[in-house]
Amino acid sequence: DAGITQSPRHKVTETGTPVTLRCHQTENHRYMYWYRQDPGHGLRLIHYSYGVKDTDKGEVSDGYSVSRSKTEDFLLTLESATSSQTSVYFCAISEGVLPDTQYFGPGTRLTVL
Amino acid sequence: DAKTTQPNSMESNEEEPVHLPCNHSTISGTDYIHWYRQLPSQGPEYVIHGLTSNVNNRMASLAIAEDRKSSTLILHRATLRDAAVYYCILREGNQFYFGTGTSLTVIP
Repeated sequence: DAGITQSPRHKVTETGTPVTLRCHQTENHRYMYWYRQDPGHGLRLIHYSYGVKDTDKGEVSDGYSVSRSKTEDFLLTLESATSSQTSVYFCAISEGVLPDTQYFGPGTRLTVL
Repeated sequence: DAKTTQPNSMESNEEEPVHLPCNHSTISGTDYIHWYRQLPSQGPEYVIHGLTSNVNNRMASLAIAEDRKSSTLILHRATLRDAAVYYCILREGNQFYFGTGTSLTVIP
């Protein structure tokens, strides 16, 4: 299994509070991704990173920011959590070379009350 | 938007082969076809990928149509542990677009 961990694994928070999710990899892969998964939608890309301090938006980036100060860590921040951000969040990594297979972490279940 | 079309659900008897279809009529010449599966309460797991030729690995086989507009994931002998949602995915730029996949039920 690819060395990807996510923390926390579960979190319950209140509307309006800031939340940061962490993804850590031990594979030295260049690319890292944050997805969210909601019933009926499959996985949707929030943001991704193609190197330290290099990030770009995905399909559903509104309300989220990311940072990558080290190769191994990719942080997802919800500046002011809303109930619509209740979801399961998955981190993924890839080498960035075709076929560019992505490897996924175990997920973080976030509930915003 | 997802560039692939899959049936919402399929059933198979245990120890029988399973053929999971996927249509990708807008595929371009350099698009790899990726298959992932997601077991309950877990992250997606890589299964197999291919470009033009049929591919085999320890988990499954991938049969790609000659025109590349469709592909089929083949599980040679379904087990109860193969019950999952299977996603057929093409890359668009730096992004994978996951549809809702095919939910496979394996009947003992």
